[in-house]
Amino acid sequence: AQTVTQSQPEMSVQEAETVTLSCTYDTSESDYYLFWYKQPPSRQMILVIRQEAYKQQNATENRFSVNFQKAAKSFSLKISDSQLGDAAMYFCAYRVNTDKLIFGTGTRLQVFP
Amino acid sequence: NAGVTQTPKFQVLKTGQSMTLQCAQDMNHEYMSWYRQDPGMGLRLIHYSVGAGITDQGEVPNGYNVSRSTTEDFPLRLLSAAPSQTSVYFCASRIYGTQYFGPGTRLLVL
Repeated sequence: AQTVTQSQPEMSVQEAETVTLSCTYDTSESDYYLFWYKQPPSRQMILVIRQEAYKQQNATENRFSVNFQKAAKSFSLKISDSQLGDAAMYFCAYRVNTDKLIFGTGTRLQVFP
Repeated sequence: NAGVTQTPKFQVLKTGQSMTLQCAQDMNHEYMSWYRQDPGMGLRLIHYSVGAGITDQGEVPNGYNVSRSTTEDFPLRLLSAAPSQTSVYFCASRIYGTQYFGPGTRLLVL
């Protein structure tokens, strides 16, 4: 079965510091997509970053980057120079060639000034 | 572009009532889907559509119906609401690899 595991229910970081959120997944597929979504209190699901499994290079979007380890089935999110606006729930998600996104249970990130 | 829009934002139903959650997108995306989000869980797929006239079941389809008569619209129908359907519902549309989500509809079934 395809599953996504986020083992950190809550994380906290000081403003301007760096934090890493963990995600592991289980799949027998070789071609798939991985995502990190941010969900602020407004409940809007906002795409943070996406990684195609066939790409060896780790994706980067401004202050957000991933560490994609395909063999270990690991997909962590690093947030650099954390800002108060980064406080939210973060969901890791996985998708194969269907429309089915499989989500982890989320990590609540708190940012302290 | 308005992106993915959902109405209503919030709805209270009594057990046994029916209703339709509306979803529309103006990006000409072929793929659309409905998810529900319950406390302590990520989103779970209810139904999805790969184009007008084509729908399929997701992970938790029981109690819900969908249809896709146009590319733009993908309504979700609750036939006879149950308290277990209390949740936040998200509609999404997809182009290539990435899904874009609507703002969600919060549904409370008493």
